[in-house]
Parts: sequence; structure tokens; C-alpha cells
Amino acid sequence: KAGVTQTPRYLIKTRGQQVTLSCSPISGHRSVSWYQQTPGQGLQFLFEYFSETQRNKGNFPGRFSGRQFSNSRSEMNVSTLELGDSALYLCASSLEGSQETQYFGPGTRLLVL
Amino acid sequence: KQEVTQIPAALSVPEGENLVLNCSFTDSAIYNLQWFRQDPGKGLTSLLLIQSSQREQTSGRLNASLDKSSGRSTLYIAASQPGDSATYLCAVTGAGSYQLTFGKGTKLSVIP
Repeated sequence: KAGVTQTPRYLIKTRGQQVTLSCSPISGHRSVSWYQQTPGQGLQFLFEYFSETQRNKGNFPGRFSGRQFSNSRSEMNVSTLELGDSALYLCASSLEGSQETQYFGPGTRLLVL
Repeated sequence: KQEVTQIPAALSVPEGENLVLNCSFTDSAIYNLQWFRQDPGKGLTSLLLIQSSQREQTSGRLNASLDKSSGRSTLYIAASQPGDSATYLCAVTGAGSYQLTFGKGTKLSVIP
């Protein structure tokens, strides 16, 4: 079974631009979560989607948004990029949610200049 | 607000040693606790998941324990190997929540 895939793997943007990241979960998994990882703050929860519905959202500004499609693939969008948005963005999938083992993708490393 | 702390932040041991990594959390109302491993620049790999009703889980040379009432978990690694070198993260899922709250990890180096 293929693992969680994330595209692109690396991205360089400038301040003020917007970016869209994609996550394809393991086949059959309906829950997709997104996390931001930085050296200072560690891993922080962004949001979780299940069957196209956002069930939970972390404490991030409205510039961060996401969605999930009927095939469970998910995208997250960051508008008006700031330098502090530079991070590794990780997505995780599972059958039903964080009550069970989470399978993480390799991440998208975003650098904002 | 749930807070997860991992001590120590970094640990260096000679190959073959047994070692213990610690994780503590402030709110005992958790659904489960998971231990992950992260290699440099890569995603997370799940190692063990302990439900709140369980006391421990074992997988190969790894054993994780959970004491929910005291807000503590330990990850025991037996007979450490250089390939065990990585950052180990623990994370809890709060009761009724759909998110993981992570500690900042322990960076383990196993010296050949």
C-alpha cells in the first residue's frame, strides 16, 4: 500500500505570495490532518478533515485554510505569506482520526524570502 | 490547554545501552498517547500507540508505558543501535479531540 504523499516537497516563495500544498492519504483513509513544524515551536496542529468536513482547527490566523476532496485528498493554502511561515508542513492520515495510529507524509519544506 | 514536555532534549549513549525517554503531559484527560520517530528532514514514523486504558505497549526492542493519573509516559529502548539515532516525539490526543499535541522531542544519538 502506498504511503502518504505530499507535493511539492520543496517550495520557495516571497513575502506576500500565496501557496497551495497537497496531501494524498493512504488509500481508504478518510481523515487528514495538517501540522506545521518549526525549530522554535515544534509541531503545531493546523486542522483536521474527515469526509470533506473540517472537524478541528488549530490556533492559526485565517491566512491558513484547507479543504478535502471527495477522494480524501487534501490541500492547504497559505495566503499573504510571511517570513515566519517558513516551516516543514506535514500531513497525516488515518482511517477515522487521531484516536488511532497516524501515518505521516514526508512533508513540504516551505521557505519564504 | 494541554502541554507536553520531553526530557532530556538530547541524549547521547554508546551502542548496546538500554535507555529511557520521558514524556509528561499536563491534562490527564487523554484518549491515547503515541510515540513517533523522526529522521532529519523527514516525516514522522509511528512507533507505538497506547490507549488511555492501557498501561504499556511493546514492539520489538521498544516498550512504552503510560501512567495517565500522573501524566507520564516512558519509552524504553533495549540494546540501542546506531540506527536508532533520530528524534523521538510523543504526542497525546485529548478526549473528544481530533488533534495531536506534541512534545518538542528528544534527539537521540547512539555512538558506535
